[in-house]
Amino acid sequence: GAVVSQHPSRVICKSGTSVKIECRSLDFQATTMFWYRQFPKKSLMLMATSNEGSKATYEQGVEKDKFLINHASLTLSTLTVTSAHPEDSSFYICSATPGKNYEQYFGPGTRLTVT
Amino acid sequence: DAKTTQPPSMDCAEGRAANLPCNHSTISGNEYVYWYRQIHSQGPQYIIHGLKNNETNEMASLIITEDRKSSTLILPHATLRDTAVYYCIVKTGANNLFFGTGTRLTVIP
Repeated sequence: GAVVSQHPSRVICKSGTSVKIECRSLDFQATTMFWYRQFPKKSLMLMATSNEGSKATYEQGVEKDKFLINHASLTLSTLTVTSAHPEDSSFYICSATPGKNYEQYFGPGTRLTVT
Repeated sequence: DAKTTQPPSMDCAEGRAANLPCNHSTISGNEYVYWYRQIHSQGPQYIIHGLKNNETNEMASLIITEDRKSSTLILPHATLRDTAVYYCIVKTGANNLFFGTGTRLTVIP
């Protein structure tokens, strides 16, 4: 199956700093990438959808100025958590798809801890 | 997208078939049934999807009732590595995935 990677797998940062998470599709071109977050023992929550070369579409309640998404190429999307706070600590997961009528392929996730 | 209802948890003995039910009584004609699973601290993994016919692949079988209001995911010979949260999602091909609470399957030795 298609492979999606994320980097880093784990990151610890201090409150007030910014953290960038990368999502790459390794063996296909992803016209659309998605970012999710997951709190402990909870389900995945869709944060935003990004299409290559255009602005991301954010779900209701997700601050676009706090969670900056860039999808500059067909194989790379980045999520930057700006001015991170402890409540931003979570498991962040990306997914990618070659097209809207294909399955989504998920990355392994990035665990962010803000101290 | 139509909502789904799944039991919160199930147990299955190792080597036996695991049958995971899903109700989607408000599914519309152009919505597919997708199944994903998430092993602890990993990203979700696609399992199978279908529209109205039963489907089978190397991982599982998907049985969809004739009225499409419910479906069952079957893992024919469950192993300990199948312990995970299983998500049943209905959506059109073009729409996004929205995850519910899923079924936590525990495979018991």
